[in-house]
Parts: sequence; C-alpha cells; structure tokens
Amino acid sequence: NAGVMQNPRHLVRRRGQEARLRCSPMKGHSHVYWYRQLPEEGLKFMVYLQKENIIDESGMPKERFSAEFPKEGPSILRIQQVVRGDSAAYFCASSLTLGNTEAFFGQGTRLTVV
Amino acid sequence: DQQVKQNSPSLSVQEGRISILNCDYTNSMFDYFLWYKKYPAEGPTFLISISSIKDKNEDGRFTVFLNKSAKHLSLHIVPSQPGDSAVYFCAASAGRAGNMLTFGGGTRLMVKP
Repeated sequence: NAGVMQNPRHLVRRRGQEARLRCSPMKGHSHVYWYRQLPEEGLKFMVYLQKENIIDESGMPKERFSAEFPKEGPSILRIQQVVRGDSAAYFCASSLTLGNTEAFFGQGTRLTVV
Repeated sequence: DQQVKQNSPSLSVQEGRISILNCDYTNSMFDYFLWYKKYPAEGPTFLISISSIKDKNEDGRFTVFLNKSAKHLSLHIVPSQPGDSAVYFCAASAGRAGNMLTFGGGTRLMVKP
C-alpha cells in the first residue's frame, strides 16, 4: 500500500466547492484506477487512465467529475460543486500492466462535504 | 445490479479454526477473481487471485476455490489468526478489463482469541 500515495488523506469541503484528490502511482506503473467507496458499501470503479489518456470512464458520474493523468505529476480526480452525496472514501490503484496482475491501492482520501 | 455479491456481511470465527468467506457472481464474462483485505482507514491489500482456467489457488494459509458452473468462489483461511480480523472484499474482472474491478460489498471477519 505504501507505494501508491494519495493526498490529502482527509478533505472537508462545503457544498458547492471544488475537491481535488491526488494520486501518485507506484514507481514504474503507468495504469491508474480510481474507485469510490460509499459508507457500508464495496468499492465502485470510476475511471481508468494511462499517461495523458482516459481509457475507460464508464463508472464516472456524467457531471461534475473529471480525471486526468498528465505526462508529469500525479493523477487528479476533480469534483466540482460538491454535494453531500459525494462524501465517500476515494481510492486510487495502480498496476504495471493492463492484464491480470495485482493492482496496488493507496490509503484513500476521505472526502466529507458539509 | 450487483454483479458480485458477498451475502454474509459478517463472520465470527475462533482463533485456530477455518474461516470461509463466500462470493457469488452473475457475469459469465468474468475470468479473473481476486480477494482483498481491508483494515479501517486503509486501502485494500491484495491477498490472492485465481484465473478462470483454475479451480483452486493456494498461498500459505489462504486458499481460493472457484466453481465456475455455480458462479461461486470462496476464500479459506486456515488457521485463522486474530490479525486476520478485517473486511474482505471479493473482486472480479472480465477479459481485457484488467484492473477495472467489480467489487462485492465485503464481509467483516472477526477472529476471536
């Protein structure tokens, strides 16, 4: 887990503000995945990115949510105009390849919207 | 529509005994299955996986069994230890989906000393 770094660990935002969640994958990993865990539920896939490309965003809400993984720097999950229902734990995972290999998860960012 | 289901939200086991965690899936396209362990306020940690071409995979105290015809898999932990107390998630992926995983809702395992 220590290899995938997410920050901040905790984020409090007022309704209507923007939330930016950062994820630095493990060294050498170019595949990044974002998941969301609502209270008392399992993790739900949101988006899969490779460097500079969104590969699959089938789990992303259509509005207010966006993700990027630039050539340099961490992957960013951005939530605009947050609402209370966005309160959740957001996890990032990275893997070395696309195939059936282990994905390593970060410790997550807990977003609380007040 | 829950494609991966863990029907037992919690399980309590005595230390030294076997823990059996179950998982059912509905999508016949799933061909790779994983178990993750999660402690509070931490990210999931990979435990063990199995490809659909196998029916069993073993790693130390952990064994995963896959029954494709029943669309069912289980994780056996023998012997169970108090440090195994955590939430266990079953996850699955299909073909080239790689690590775009579909997770179950989790089972909270409590191992009593």
